[in-house]
Amino acid sequence: TQLLEQSPQFLSIQEGENLTVYCNSSSVFSSLQWYRQEPGEGPVLLVTVVTGGEVKKLKRLTFQFGDARKDSSLHITAAQPGDTGLYLCAGESTDSWGKLQFGAGTQVVVTP
Amino acid sequence: GAVVSQHPSWVICKSGTSVKIECRSLDFQATTMFWYRQFPKQSLMLMATSNEGSKATYEQGVEKDKFLINHASLTLSTLTVTSAHPEDSSFYICSARDPYRAAIEQYFGPGTRLTVT
Repeated sequence: TQLLEQSPQFLSIQEGENLTVYCNSSSVFSSLQWYRQEPGEGPVLLVTVVTGGEVKKLKRLTFQFGDARKDSSLHITAAQPGDTGLYLCAGESTDSWGKLQFGAGTQVVVTP
Repeated sequence: GAVVSQHPSWVICKSGTSVKIECRSLDFQATTMFWYRQFPKQSLMLMATSNEGSKATYEQGVEKDKFLINHASLTLSTLTVTSAHPEDSSFYICSARDPYRAAIEQYFGPGTRLTVT
C-alpha cells in the first residue's frame, strides 16, 4: 500500500491569508488528484496533475506536482470563507489503473 | 457533464437486514466504477473495483460475501451490504471514470449515509 501523508491535518486562518497544504509519499504516482469535500457530500475534483514539476492554477488555487512525482502541494492565495472544506489528495499508482490512494485530508477553516 | 448519482442518499436499516446502494453515471458510460467507505473524521478507503460484465475486485480486508457488487450495465453499479451490523454504519461513496473524456479523472457520487440500528 502506498501511503500518502497530508499535512497539516487542520488549518484555521483568517480571510485574506494564504495557506499551503502538503501531500507526500515515498512512492511514485502516475497522477495525483486534489479534491474538496463538504460534510455529507462526495469529493469534488479540483485538479489532476500528471507531469513531474507541473504547476496548475485554478483562480486563487495553485497546485504543484513534485519533480519526482512523489509529492504535491496546494496553495490558496487570499483565502475566503467559501474555501472552507476538507481537502484531499489522492494518488494513482503506476501499477494499478484507476485505483486511488487517498491522504487523510486537511480540514481548512477560513473565518471572516 | 461527468455526473455520478447515488441512491438512496441515506438509509437506516435494522441489524441483520440487507441494503442495496445504486451508483449511476448519468451522462457517460463507465466500464469501471469504484466503491469507497468513509468513517467520520476519516478519509476515503477503497473497498472494491467494479467492472462491467465481470466480477468485482476487492481490496484486502473487504469481505466479498458481505459487500456484493454488481455492475450489470455501463451506467449502473450496485453495492449490497448483506446482514448489516452497526459497525457497517458509514458513508459509502462511488466513483466512475469516463474513458472518452479524460481517462485518468474520477468523478464521485454524492455518497450514501448508512445507519444500522
